[in-house]
Amino acid sequence: DQQVKQNSPSLSVQEGRISILNCDYTNSMFDYFLWYKKYPAEGPTFLISISSIKDKNEDGRFTVFLNKSAKHLSLHIVPSQPGDSAVYFCAARAGGTSYGKLTFGQGTILTVHP
Amino acid sequence: DAGITQSPRHKVTETGTPVTLRCHQTENHRYMYWYRQDPGHGLRLIHYSYGVKDTDKGEVSDGYSVSRSKTEDFLLTLESATSSQTSVYFCAINKGKDGYTFGSGTRLTVV
Repeated sequence: DQQVKQNSPSLSVQEGRISILNCDYTNSMFDYFLWYKKYPAEGPTFLISISSIKDKNEDGRFTVFLNKSAKHLSLHIVPSQPGDSAVYFCAARAGGTSYGKLTFGQGTILTVHP
Repeated sequence: DAGITQSPRHKVTETGTPVTLRCHQTENHRYMYWYRQDPGHGLRLIHYSYGVKDTDKGEVSDGYSVSRSKTEDFLLTLESATSSQTSVYFCAINKGKDGYTFGSGTRLTVV
């Protein structure tokens, strides 16, 4: 049972345009969501997060939107740069005694063309 | 990240042999995790630890065991390696309000 889903395996955008990566979840116990970026041969690195009490969080070129009723979150990158080309994972964490375990989506490969 | 290291970075092993991967942290965090990354599956939790000698199973724990005898070390053992365990393995630490940090990964090939 895939509790966190990224339905787009890949996304290709032009430099300077907006990149929108999507993520859906099914577990209503999730109360904290994160996005990670991963380059080949490296570990995932934290990008941005959002608590379930918010619907938007912004950090420079990166904005995460959360729609709790739809159980959907998205990551917007504006403007996109070639260095943003990587695999992006969304992750979710349940509240309570979950020991901080993260559940990840399958990942989306973003390619930004110069 | 300098606070977490994984060893080895690469390993090739034969089917049926035991393999141990090591995760070492220098920052004394309580929670540690082992994930595996496979195409089409993202990262899946194998085992996690919430303290010395306190561990529990994740969603894909079959064929794996872990040990945590010291805060800084979290070991993942494949008891009898199979080809389905060919994967990239990541260790992570939960740094509380400072988020999660992942190691650089171990690429394991079982032949």
